[in-house]
Amino acid sequence: NAGVTQTPKFQVLKTGQSMTLQCAQDMNHNSMYWYRQDPGMGLRLIYYSASEGTTDKGEVPNGYNVSRLNKREFSLRLESAAPSQTSVYFCASSEERGTTMKQYFGPGTRLTVT
Amino acid sequence: AQRVTQPEKLLSVFKGAPVELKCNYSYSGSPELFWYVQYSRQRLQLLLRHISRESIKGFTADLNKGETSFHLKKPFAQEEDSAMYYCALRRSSNTGKLIFGQGTTLQVKP
Repeated sequence: NAGVTQTPKFQVLKTGQSMTLQCAQDMNHNSMYWYRQDPGMGLRLIYYSASEGTTDKGEVPNGYNVSRLNKREFSLRLESAAPSQTSVYFCASSEERGTTMKQYFGPGTRLTVT
Repeated sequence: AQRVTQPEKLLSVFKGAPVELKCNYSYSGSPELFWYVQYSRQRLQLLLRHISRESIKGFTADLNKGETSFHLKKPFAQEEDSAMYYCALRRSSNTGKLIFGQGTTLQVKP
């Protein structure tokens, strides 16, 4: 199993350009997440999907859109990139067993917006 | 509002010294607390969760509801423990969403 995969690993954009970050998981998890990681800010949830066909805003959704294409894939789109979106982006999925839960993370995408 | 606070950005200790990474949370209900770790060039992974009351790689963490804390401890630090550590809170069993702290970089010097 590859677990959670993300593409691309690195990306440089100019202000105003658009792009889509791809994420896929092969663990048959229902829930998937997009986070951004910034120094001193920890991980902040951008969007969340509890199941195929559903999405929900997290703490910092402005400037982003998501698509839960199917159970495996959850993409994050930046329609008009801004320098404030320079960050490392992590996708995750989770399994829930009983009352507890474990999130599995992808390797991250390092995005720079100039 | 729910919040997780890790007051130290960087904790630097010598090999063999005890380690305590602090985590305080703000939540009125019964939270589920986790510690996640990110080693250099590796992806973020679960280290331990309070509900399991486990010890992983010599680390333990006890949930103190009175002090709203979930500090991570290890009696003797090893160089391979050097990493970024995140404390996280899950508000209820109805959601998989986590609230993460700011993270603490642990540096274990030889």
